[in-house]
Amino acid sequence: AQTVTQSQPEMSVQEAETVTLSCTYDTSESDYYLFWYKQPPSRQMILVIRQEAYKQQNATENRFSVNFQKAAKSFSLKISDSQLGDAAMYFCAYRGTTSGTYKYIFGTGTRLKVLA
Amino acid sequence: NAGVMQNPRHLVRRRGQEARLRCSPMKGHSHVYWYRQLPEEGLKFMVYLQKENIIDESGMPKERFSAEFPKEGPSILRIQQVVRGDSAAYFCASSRVTQETQYFGPGTRLLVL
Repeated sequence: AQTVTQSQPEMSVQEAETVTLSCTYDTSESDYYLFWYKQPPSRQMILVIRQEAYKQQNATENRFSVNFQKAAKSFSLKISDSQLGDAAMYFCAYRGTTSGTYKYIFGTGTRLKVLA
Repeated sequence: NAGVMQNPRHLVRRRGQEARLRCSPMKGHSHVYWYRQLPEEGLKFMVYLQKENIIDESGMPKERFSAEFPKEGPSILRIQQVVRGDSAAYFCASSRVTQETQYFGPGTRLLVL
């Protein structure tokens, strides 16, 4: 069974600095999708970034980028120029692509604090 | 283009009552997924539905929980005889087809007194 592990329950970063959130996963599939979701205090789940495993190029969305290491099964999120609005819970998620696979498997989350 | 809608956003029930949670998928989406988030945990898959069909309910407790997605109207997650352990945030997601990204609604926070 697939698993997703986020080993950092909480992280802090100074405003305007860079922070990296870690995520590792376990799967026997060769093709899959990985996601980072942001959950602010409103509890809304906001898609931050998505990576297809077959793509070697790391996904980037403005200040958010990932470091995808397929062999190591690692998928970290880098937030550059951190802003106060980035403070939230961040969840890493996995979804397979084999027939009938649709469940998102979430990690336990990392709480990011941004210090002014 | 409205996103996934869920109502109510907050629901308070006493032990033994019934809770009904509604989810309207994004326009053009016919696949609905329900997830539960217990306090301080990640989301856990409960059930996957297409119009008038339950495709996978492997994550749903065997008793007291049921889900439907009728031909017309929203998807409903129903919890009968609620207990305190049912207190959680329940998220609905939808997709156009199975292999596409799921988009999440704002969730319903259920509190059982």
